[in-house]
Amino acid sequence: AQSVTQLDSHVSVSEGTPVLLRCNYSSSYSPSLFWYVQHPNKGLQLLLKYTSAATLVKGINGFEAEFKKSETSFHLTKPSAHMSDAAEYFCVVRDQGGYQKVTFGTGTKLQVIP
Amino acid sequence: GAGVSQSPSNKVTEKGKDVELRCDPISGHTALYWYRQSLGQGLEFLIYFQGNSAPDKSGLPSDRFSAERTGGSVSTLTIQRTQQEDSAVYLCASSLRQGANTEAFFGQGTRLTVV
Repeated sequence: AQSVTQLDSHVSVSEGTPVLLRCNYSSSYSPSLFWYVQHPNKGLQLLLKYTSAATLVKGINGFEAEFKKSETSFHLTKPSAHMSDAAEYFCVVRDQGGYQKVTFGTGTKLQVIP
Repeated sequence: GAGVSQSPSNKVTEKGKDVELRCDPISGHTALYWYRQSLGQGLEFLIYFQGNSAPDKSGLPSDRFSAERTGGSVSTLTIQRTQQEDSAVYLCASSLRQGANTEAFFGQGTRLTVV
């Protein structure tokens, strides 16, 4: 069985300050982990993915995430928020064994204040 | 095709009517998912097809909802006797089963409005 928990439903940051969106997961197998972004009235876009290579993963638009097995976490970070980062972010886990179903977190809405 | 294709992009239907939503996954993708996203809500898992295995239907909200996947490719989600609470964006995604590139690719969705 697998699950993913996004600890914050809403995060608000000022433009130019760091972003931290938290994600914890559980998985029966070695997981693949992903972050997706959804801008208002837009489709889902892959930001970055971890598939058991480097634990620090860099994605598009300056985002990165670190896989920490001991903490079962995959938090998304960005050093400096931009207004265009305002969107909803989804953390996703997929077991690399077993049924390999994709499971989405409930999402975190990021607000960027000018 | 190059991406996941869903049709129609928008559908307005009267309460009580049946609707069919179609998803064409990326060629060669053995996994196919249906999700529902209501206004201002996250993604609600509906059903998962993986190759020839029995589908995971655990997310279907009621017996009015059903889905099939013919020939391991195109999938149809059917909602019978639609209700107003069925109004949402229905998203389809597909992925490879194994390998490093195992992310799900999403279609643009079908916006269903039940009036």
